[in-house]
Amino acid sequence: EVQLLESGGGLVQPGGSLRLSCAASGFTFSSYAMSWVRQAPGEGLEWVSAISGNGGSTYHADSVKGRFTISRDNSKNTLYLQMNSLKAEDTAVYYCAKSGPPMAVRLADYWGQGTLVAVSS
Amino acid sequence: QTVVTQEPSLTVSPGGTVTLTCASSTGAVTSGYYPNWFQQKPGQAPRALIYSTSNKHSWTPARFSGSLLGGKAALTLSGVQPEDEADYYCLLYYGGTWVFGGGTKLTVL
Repeated sequence: EVQLLESGGGLVQPGGSLRLSCAASGFTFSSYAMSWVRQAPGEGLEWVSAISGNGGSTYHADSVKGRFTISRDNSKNTLYLQMNSLKAEDTAVYYCAKSGPPMAVRLADYWGQGTLVAVSS
Repeated sequence: QTVVTQEPSLTVSPGGTVTLTCASSTGAVTSGYYPNWFQQKPGQAPRALIYSTSNKHSWTPARFSGSLLGGKAALTLSGVQPEDEADYYCLLYYGGTWVFGGGTKLTVL
C-alpha cells in the first residue's frame, strides 16, 4: 500500500525558511517522480514542484521559482521541499504526491494527507 | 500566465448526469495536455480519478468518464450518487509545468 507522510509544517515569519519532508513507503521510491501541490485556505489546488525519480530533473512553478527547491534522498525514501524567503501567500496545506509513469501524463496518482504551513508575523 | 478555467459550481440530481469542463487560456485542450481529474471532499486530500484524458485508475467508479469536448477536457458523471458531492479539479500539462483549474463545486441535490 502506497503511503506518503508529510512533516515539517508550522508557523514561520515572512522572509523565513522551512523544510518539508515526505516519507514514502509501499513502492520502489526511486522509480517514480514525485511532486508537491499546495492549497491555500479555502482555495483551489496549485502545483508547486516536481522531481524525476533519480532527482536529475526538477521543475518549479513560476510563483516559487528561485525561492523553493525540491529534492529527494532515495536511500531514505524521502522527498523534500526547501522553502526560503517565505511570503504570506505561501500559507497553505502542502501535499506530496506520487506520480505514475510517465510524470507528464500522471503527475499525482497518490497523495499524502498534507502539512500546514502558515506564514505570519 | 496560463489560466485553466472550470465551472465554479454545478448542481445535479441524484441519478442524473453532469459534465464538468476544463478550458485552457492557450487555446483548445488536446490529448497532449494529458488532462487529469481529481476529486476532493471536505477535510480530505485530493484523490485521482482520471489521467491522460480518459484513463481511469483502478479505484475510479465506472460512472466517471473523461473525454475531450469542444476544445475542452471534460469529466462526465453518469448516475450521480450522493457521495459524489465534492470539489473536482482538472490538471493540464504545459511542457514542464502543470496548471490546475480553479475547481468545480458539485452539489448533489
